[in-house]
Amino acid sequence: DVKVTQSSRYLVKRTGEKVFLECVQDMDHENMFWYRQDPGLGLRLIYFSYDVKMKEKGDIPEGYSVSREKKERFSLILESASTNQTSMYLCASSFDRYGYTFGSGTRLTVV
Amino acid sequence: KQEVTQIPAALSVPEGENLVLNCSFTDSAIYNLQWFRQDPGKGLTSLLLIQSSQREQTSGRLNASLDKSSGRSTLYIAASQPGDSATYLCAVVSSNTGKLIFGQGTTLQVKP
Repeated sequence: DVKVTQSSRYLVKRTGEKVFLECVQDMDHENMFWYRQDPGLGLRLIYFSYDVKMKEKGDIPEGYSVSREKKERFSLILESASTNQTSMYLCASSFDRYGYTFGSGTRLTVV
Repeated sequence: KQEVTQIPAALSVPEGENLVLNCSFTDSAIYNLQWFRQDPGKGLTSLLLIQSSQREQTSGRLNASLDKSSGRSTLYIAASQPGDSATYLCAVVSSNTGKLIFGQGTTLQVKP
């Protein structure tokens, strides 16, 4: 089975900190995605990548950036964390469009 | 713009009951449709994936159907168990954008 691993289950960061969320997949998938999930708003796409060093903005990229230096790793960066970025962050990967596999999520709290 | 709707938002049933969760989408131009399960505070677990050319998929007590022309999918759960309690999410991959678009989910509670 494809495994998508998010490095942290829970994170607490201070306002203004630079935050890195890491995601690693082990099945050589080209496509990787970052979503955030909030009550009442559902899952929203932040950024995605179809290849190494390639990135595209999703629906809510403001305040975020990403890095994909290796195929298996896709990092989400909060340049200067703010309280409105408190959320559940979910990473996913897919091969072409044949099904998505999600990680277990990172619950980020910004205080 | 593709929109995905799930009805009902919440459902409570007694153990042993068969039940159906509904998903509708506004644009039939999809590559596939996927059903996920999410337990509180956890990530998403894929349950079933239906390609646009398929009509249904089955896994154990779960059966998902797809009617692309009418923009509908159902997830049938047979002989429900308390362990089935979770939020069920439907998502489609749009042919136009290649993006995965989610519904808001149905929160299921199965009472012993």
